[in-house]
Amino acid sequence: QSALTQPASVSGSPGQSITISCSGTSSDVGGYNLVSWYQHHPGKAPKLIIFWGSKRPSGVSNRFSGSQSGNTASLTISGLRAEDEADYHCCSYAGGSSYVFGTGTKVTVL
Amino acid sequence: QVQLQQWGAGLLKPSETLSLTCGVFGGSLSGYYWIWIRQPPGKGLEWIGEIDHSGSSSYNPSLESRVTISGDTSKNQFALRLSSVIAADTAVYYCANIRNNAFDIWGQGTMVTVSP
Repeated sequence: QSALTQPASVSGSPGQSITISCSGTSSDVGGYNLVSWYQHHPGKAPKLIIFWGSKRPSGVSNRFSGSQSGNTASLTISGLRAEDEADYHCCSYAGGSSYVFGTGTKVTVL
Repeated sequence: QVQLQQWGAGLLKPSETLSLTCGVFGGSLSGYYWIWIRQPPGKGLEWIGEIDHSGSSSYNPSLESRVTISGDTSKNQFALRLSSVIAADTAVYYCANIRNNAFDIWGQGTMVTVSP
């Protein structure tokens, strides 16, 4: 079980859109449409922002959107705001009641 | 609204056993799936293992020989035990529930340090 690959960092100016990729294999990301994304501010618990690849939980801003193509999932944050500065983690179901996380991406708002 | 509160020892010596408990408040342990996740300093999140509503558990293969996750429906809590800890087990440990193959309610996190 290898970690999913995410860029170490992504940055953008307020109001811009950024996209974070999450690359896996046909045994995880590509094998299931079960990728979730988490926003993680330092010192706090991670917060679920996307499940099933593109679904937003109740209360999560529609500025967050998810998609998937083959073995790669993506998270797009539109209308970037200062409060979006955080770490973002993807996670995929990998079969057999197992999960694999991504390497994590630090988002910086310039 | 379900809340998770976790507790346990935060400082261990190598070879000791890590023991953390996660209490489920405002909801029932039964009928859901529960998970433990950790984040070593400066690294990403790592799935440790999960327990389902029947008490059946599954573990990360890299930890399987040392980890046990158990549930106690009478106390509405579930627990993590990791034996023979080493420095590499130093991490923030989180409990969470699983819904729609995602983790939507998290405990507050417990920093566990393994040091001689």
